Amino acid sequence: EVQLVESGGGLVQPGGSLRLSCAASGFTFSSYWMHWVRQAPGKGLVWVSRINSDGSSTSYADSVKGRFTISRDNAKNTLYLQMNSLRAEDTAVYYCAREEVMTTVTLRAHYFDYWGQGTLVTVSS
Amino acid sequence: SSELTQDPAVSVALGQTVRITCQGDSLRSYYASWYQQKPGQAPVLVIYGKNNRPSGIPDRFSGSSSGNTASLTITGAQAEDEADYYCNSRDSSGNHHNYVFGTGTKVTVL
Repeated sequence: EVQLVESGGGLVQPGGSLRLSCAASGFTFSSYWMHWVRQAPGKGLVWVSRINSDGSSTSYADSVKGRFTISRDNAKNTLYLQMNSLRAEDTAVYYCAREEVMTTVTLRAHYFDYWGQGTLVTVSS
Repeated sequence: SSELTQDPAVSVALGQTVRITCQGDSLRSYYASWYQQKPGQAPVLVIYGKNNRPSGIPDRFSGSSSGNTASLTITGAQAEDEADYYCNSRDSSGNHHNYVFGTGTKVTVL
């Protein structure tokens, strides 16, 4: 059974740092691209960051670029999100998600087939 | 970056059919995927690709796509289908490595 379990959330002051973890099990972690997605209270889903299977390539939403760093340890089956210079607007539930890809004759499909339960990050003084 | 636009809310009578749409330029390059989210829960994938359902998703959920618009249809809506629904695709603008979610649609089953 595929499982993704986030941890590391909590209350942090503006300007502070936090590192989130996502422990993966039930699949070959090193074969999949992984993502972080967040959701502010009462708001919609927002894509945050993505890392390829061996960790050599990453990308970020403009809102977090330069402040957040995604990484992974394939030996530990764990995904990370290092969050620095945190702002009030970073307050959200952070989900990790696994990406799957389907290639067809017409278009490609990239989708998140498994999600963790989320971890809450609150940035407040 | 790309944007995906959804209607904020729709309602449907129990047992009737409802269609949710998602519009954006990235849908000309990538299929949308659709996620159901109930209060306090993580999102769940319901449709991906042209019209594919993960194991365990009822066949009353279906998807379609044309041009820059993707649609999710619930045929014979049930009370348990009341939830927020989000579309998603890979970004097709300057940064193809990024992804984008739709604005979300709240579905109310009357």
